[in-house]
Amino acid sequence: EPEVTQTPSHQVTQMGQEVILRCVPISNHLYFYWYRQILGQKVEFLVSFYNNEISEKSEIFDDQFSVERPDGSNFTLKIRSTKLEDSAMYFCASSRDSNYGYTFGSGTRLTVV
Amino acid sequence: RKEVEQDPGPFNVPEGATVAFNCTYSNSASQSFFWYRQDCRKEPKLLMSVYSSGNEDGRFTAQLNRASQYISLLIRDSKLSDSATYLCVVHVLTGGGNKLTFGTGTQLKVEL
Repeated sequence: EPEVTQTPSHQVTQMGQEVILRCVPISNHLYFYWYRQILGQKVEFLVSFYNNEISEKSEIFDDQFSVERPDGSNFTLKIRSTKLEDSAMYFCASSRDSNYGYTFGSGTRLTVV
Repeated sequence: RKEVEQDPGPFNVPEGATVAFNCTYSNSASQSFFWYRQDCRKEPKLLMSVYSSGNEDGRFTAQLNRASQYISLLIRDSKLSDSATYLCVVHVLTGGGNKLTFGTGTQLKVEL
């Protein structure tokens, strides 16, 4: 079964450092997303990406966040200057079209110290 | 009012029991509805889509009431392996794209 792959599975970084979280969506999917889940809280939408541009973003996705699809397979989330409150599980997801169910990756656990 | 509201539980039930979860949503423009399952510290996994006509997948039955903005999930003959958090999820088409809005989840513990 096709899957969404995320790396690394766990990242520890110092406050103020930049991090890049990587994702390889399912190959024939056209829509890509990042969600996050702070420990003990609900899954929250960050951003959706289609046709090489952001199609929707939440209030959480401020100027410190950016996404990129640098080549035909990778989809990255960059946090420029990490804060303690950025510590969370970050999930990448992809879907074939905007009405279809999403497939989530296994997540990157980001710990900011 | 929360966008998607669920009873957090936990629901502790014996093996073989029938258990029902409910969910309400506030955005009447919501397009599609899902139940996802999430195991501890894992990614959400799609359990089933939810339709107004009701749909069944083995021991699982989901129902949508658009007028009441209410979604339900029924699990029959529960197994130990059903222990997880069940997420009510609403899909909204936005001006530019689309997004999923998650409830906080309902925790189920199935016991011997």
